[in-house]
Amino acid sequence: GAVVSQHPSWVICKSGTSVKIECRSLDFQATTMFWYRQFPKQSLMLMATSNEGSKATYEQGVEKDKFLINHASLTLSTLTVTSAHPEDSSFYICSAPSPGGSSYEQYFGPGTRLTVT
Amino acid sequence: EDQVTQSPEALRLQEGESSSLNCSYTVSGLRGLFWYRQDPGKGPEFLFTLYSAGEEKEKERLKATLTKKESFLHITAPKPEDSATYLCAVQVGGGYQKVTFGTGTKLQVIP
Repeated sequence: GAVVSQHPSWVICKSGTSVKIECRSLDFQATTMFWYRQFPKQSLMLMATSNEGSKATYEQGVEKDKFLINHASLTLSTLTVTSAHPEDSSFYICSAPSPGGSSYEQYFGPGTRLTVT
Repeated sequence: EDQVTQSPEALRLQEGESSSLNCSYTVSGLRGLFWYRQDPGKGPEFLFTLYSAGEEKEKERLKATLTKKESFLHITAPKPEDSATYLCAVQVGGGYQKVTFGTGTKLQVIP
């Protein structure tokens, strides 16, 4: 199956700083990628849809100025958490749709654990 | 609003004790229903896609079924390595539309 990677796998930062998370499709191109957030013992909540070459689409309640998304190429999307606060501590996961065909399956990255102190 | 509800929240089984996980959904225009497995601290791993009522898919000890209102993930003779959280998700509309996840069922299989 298609492989999606994320970097870093975990990061600790101080309150007020910014953190960038990368999501890469390793063996296929993805014009669309998705960013999710998962709090402990909760399911995945879609934050935004990242579109190559255009602006991201954010879900209701997600601050676009706080969570900056850049889809610079067909294999890379980045999520930057700006001015991070402890409440932003969470597990961030990206995904990309299955390449080609009629399948709407999504392949997920391994996730990035963000801890803001 | 699209809703996906999974039950039970947690399930504890003895090794070899078969059971089923439920995913009920309320959506308009279901495009696909997905089952994922998620291990602690990792991203979800794709298991199955079901597109229409009556469809069934199998993979090793897992079998997924779909009706117009719900989906079941049947686990036959589970092993400890099947312990994980199983997530159900639905997709509506065409193209690469967003996927709505349920809250998951945490399965523990005891040797």
